[in-house]
Amino acid sequence: QVQLQESGPGLVKPSQTLSLTCTVSGGSLSSLSYYWNWIRQPAGKGLEWIGRIYTSGSTNYNPSLKSRVTISVDTSKNQFSLKLSSVTAADTAVYYCARRTRSGSWSYFFDYWGQGTLVTVSS
Amino acid sequence: QSVLTQPPSVSGAPGQRVTISCTGSSSNIGAGYDVHWYQQLPVTAPKLLIYGNSNRPSGVPDRFSGSKSGTSASLAITGLQAEDEADYYCQSYDSSLSGSVFGGGTKLTVL
Repeated sequence: QVQLQESGPGLVKPSQTLSLTCTVSGGSLSSLSYYWNWIRQPAGKGLEWIGRIYTSGSTNYNPSLKSRVTISVDTSKNQFSLKLSSVTAADTAVYYCARRTRSGSWSYFFDYWGQGTLVTVSS
Repeated sequence: QSVLTQPPSVSGAPGQRVTISCTGSSSNIGAGYDVHWYQQLPVTAPKLLIYGNSNRPSGVPDRFSGSKSGTSASLAITGLQAEDEADYYCQSYDSSLSGSVFGGGTKLTVL
């Protein structure tokens, strides 16, 4: 059974960089079948896709966050990470890591999720 | 503002049937990309409920069903139970964004 677990500071100061890591167990980040994603959810609001990374290191980011986001992968540790720079209060949210599975050329969905970690941006 | 549009809330009595709509555009659902649905119980991570428009992962009751037509999709829940009270999100892929997009979520209240 694949499990994902987010970790990182729960409090970040405005203008600083938010850094989170997702550790994957029960499966390999080196698999060619999946993309690994970050998704966030502000309190009381909907889900927002942040970006994804492939085992090769290839990335894709949400255009609305692209200038501030970096996602990286460490296959030796079976971890992938998120960095979000110049944070403001608007970046306060629960951050989830999730595995994206592809089923055919037109079907991409998130089948495994971490439990989520709350990151608060405040001085 | 979400790329996919869902009603903010729906409600129904136990045993009834409810549907939740999800409307997209020509760059996502209308382009042929599948729609997937997630159930989010309070203070928990989203759980995959329907994938590929109408497929249920193992363990999801057949009271949940999905469909897609044109630029829209729907989630139907029959035989409503108190435990179905949750937030429901649709998700697809958008070719103009080259990424995944979600609906704003629908809160289901079981009366």
